[in-house]
Amino acid sequence: QKEVEQNSGPLSVPEGAIASLNCTYSDRGSQSFFWYRQYSGKSPELIMSIYSNGDKEDGRFTAQLNKASQYVSLLIRDSQPSDSATYLCAVITGGGNKLTFGTGTQLKVEL
Amino acid sequence: DAGITQSPRHKVTETGTPVTLRCHQTENHRYMYWYRQDPGHGLRLIHYSYGVKDTDKGEVSDGYSVSRSKTEDFLLTLESATSSQTSVYFCASSGQEQETQYFGPGTRLLVL
Repeated sequence: QKEVEQNSGPLSVPEGAIASLNCTYSDRGSQSFFWYRQYSGKSPELIMSIYSNGDKEDGRFTAQLNKASQYVSLLIRDSQPSDSATYLCAVITGGGNKLTFGTGTQLKVEL
Repeated sequence: DAGITQSPRHKVTETGTPVTLRCHQTENHRYMYWYRQDPGHGLRLIHYSYGVKDTDKGEVSDGYSVSRSKTEDFLLTLESATSSQTSVYFCASSGQEQETQYFGPGTRLLVL
């Protein structure tokens, strides 16, 4: 079992819709969770970080964390074509500072 | 965003040649990391540093070495490049444990 799992997609949503991206992780002791966005040929850039159970909102983005279910998600409201990218879920596993990444979900927002 | 630069941005080299990639950050971050990104594998940690001259191995460290003589610089060396080391290499840094890692622009390495 991979430590961090994401559906590779592509996930296609129409412009203006809500995009829902999901991630599961295997290390029950994980404390820090991150969503990065990566455009083709570019480096990952942070979208959201979340450390506590529940929801965290930042503009059109909401991260949701459920440690009991070992599940973290990212909702993108009012999706725009500029949101088309690969979204990487990352978890600090095993204590310390090592980030483990999922393989990413490709999101396509269609006009 | 952290000021992180990588050099070179692109490199083509031949099998058996030594290669050094440089990462430079201006944020005075304690932690620095080297990742490689390959299709189907995502980002994988090669080595990381938790201070000057303090480094440790990551998930895919075989064939790579690192050095950190100054807070701002973290070097990745491929002692004898192989075709399996063709990849995109990203450097990252963070100020504290468990905190956000900020990424540099990446280096595309092709080993022929």
